[in-house]
Amino acid sequence: QSALTQPPSASGSPGQSVAISCTGTSSDIGAYNYVSWYQQHPGKAPKLMIYEVTKRPSGVPDRFSGSKSGNTASLTVSGLQAEDEADYYCGSYTGSNNLVVFGGGTKLTVL
Amino acid sequence: EVQLVESGGGLVRPGGSLRLSCAASGFTFSDAWMTWVRQAPGKGLEWIGRVKSKSDGGTTDYAAPVKGRFTISRDDSRNTVYAQMNSLKTEDTAIYYCTIGNCSGGRCHWDDAFDFWGPGTMVTVSS
Repeated sequence: QSALTQPPSASGSPGQSVAISCTGTSSDIGAYNYVSWYQQHPGKAPKLMIYEVTKRPSGVPDRFSGSKSGNTASLTVSGLQAEDEADYYCGSYTGSNNLVVFGGGTKLTVL
Repeated sequence: EVQLVESGGGLVRPGGSLRLSCAASGFTFSDAWMTWVRQAPGKGLEWIGRVKSKSDGGTTDYAAPVKGRFTISRDDSRNTVYAQMNSLKTEDTAIYYCTIGNCSGGRCHWDDAFDFWGPGTMVTVSS
């Protein structure tokens, strides 16, 4: 069982927006603004999409955005495109011995 | 261009040992904190441990499932980080990735935003 909870699946049609939630606790997401999101296509390494809750690394389209409220973070993908179909993982710094925890992943399907 | 390339994976019996390597290039390796993350087949990501730069103490931290069995070390002269894995269990079967944090705006997110990843190396623990 993963430390952070994500829905196993999400879907949307091209052009639509979809939000993926990530629920943690007051020891991880609720305690730090160090939430990150990763995109992973089959057979590939993860790719950083969002860090520090809302920031995008260079090269990540602004269709991807992040937010946080309390112990829950969210990734929103706007203007869905076929290439957005992938698995998405959230991560959070915890400050404890287990420094980083991840979610179980959400499979995003573009209908 | 940042490059990370893992090697050393393979098939090993339960109770056996394996040493993974991650060769790095394209950045100042000696300044970087190096992290290992694994992914069991069909499962999510799992942080397993990290070694700080020597200038920051060179200390290590480990996830509970591997603490006492895995040792992460670095050789700055070879730009390489290692994961020595002992007393391997079937549940250690996974793709093992090395990764480093995002550096931007004069700050590096060594422990909370993993920006560069290697292609991974597969470790299978089975009898």
